Amino acid sequence: GENVEQHPSTLSVQEGDSAVIKCTYSDSASNYFPWYKQELGKRPQLIIDIRSNVGEKKDQRIAVTLNKTAKHFSLHITETQPEDSAVYFCAASMPNQGGKLIFGQGTELSVKP
Amino acid sequence: GAGVSQSPSNKVTEKGKDVELRCDPISGHTALYWYRQRLGQGLEFLIYFQGNSAPDKSGLPSDRFSAERTGESVSTLTIQRTQQEDSAVYLCASRERREGSGELFFGEGSRLTVL
Repeated sequence: GENVEQHPSTLSVQEGDSAVIKCTYSDSASNYFPWYKQELGKRPQLIIDIRSNVGEKKDQRIAVTLNKTAKHFSLHITETQPEDSAVYFCAASMPNQGGKLIFGQGTELSVKP
Repeated sequence: GAGVSQSPSNKVTEKGKDVELRCDPISGHTALYWYRQRLGQGLEFLIYFQGNSAPDKSGLPSDRFSAERTGESVSTLTIQRTQQEDSAVYLCASRERREGSGELFFGEGSRLTVL
């Protein structure tokens, strides 16, 4: 069945360093890949998304890259700050199943001041 | 409404009891999802409603779980004969109808504890 794998499960970086989170998906028809941030005790919120017709998208300190051939996509956070500490989830849509979103297992990012 | 609303926010129940969780999506959002999040774990897909189409129930873990949606509004997730492993936060999310894209707006979740 459909599957989204996310790595690493935990990531610790020093403030100012970059952080990279990677995801792979199984459904070659997937065409939409959002990233959500979940702060402790709060609801997940969209931070950036990318559609399959582009290879990269950037929004200030965050960027997402997509490799459709390899079926993987990545989140890049530059100049990390303590407030970036949270759990990040990638997701992939299943267009042949009405656009259902399947999430990865999450990455707990810790940014140390 | 301002956002996705879920109730109750917290529910403690005894093993074997039935529980019902409610979700009010954002007005006009035709797509509605239920996810389960166990402590420290990811977002586990349960069920998906899209307009008048038949719901995608492929993520429901057992026949003790069921969900309904009234038109394009309120949804209820029912868990019968609850077990301790059902303890989790149940998140509801909604979005506008778009072909495989569009921001998913989550509720605050219903935290279920089965004793």
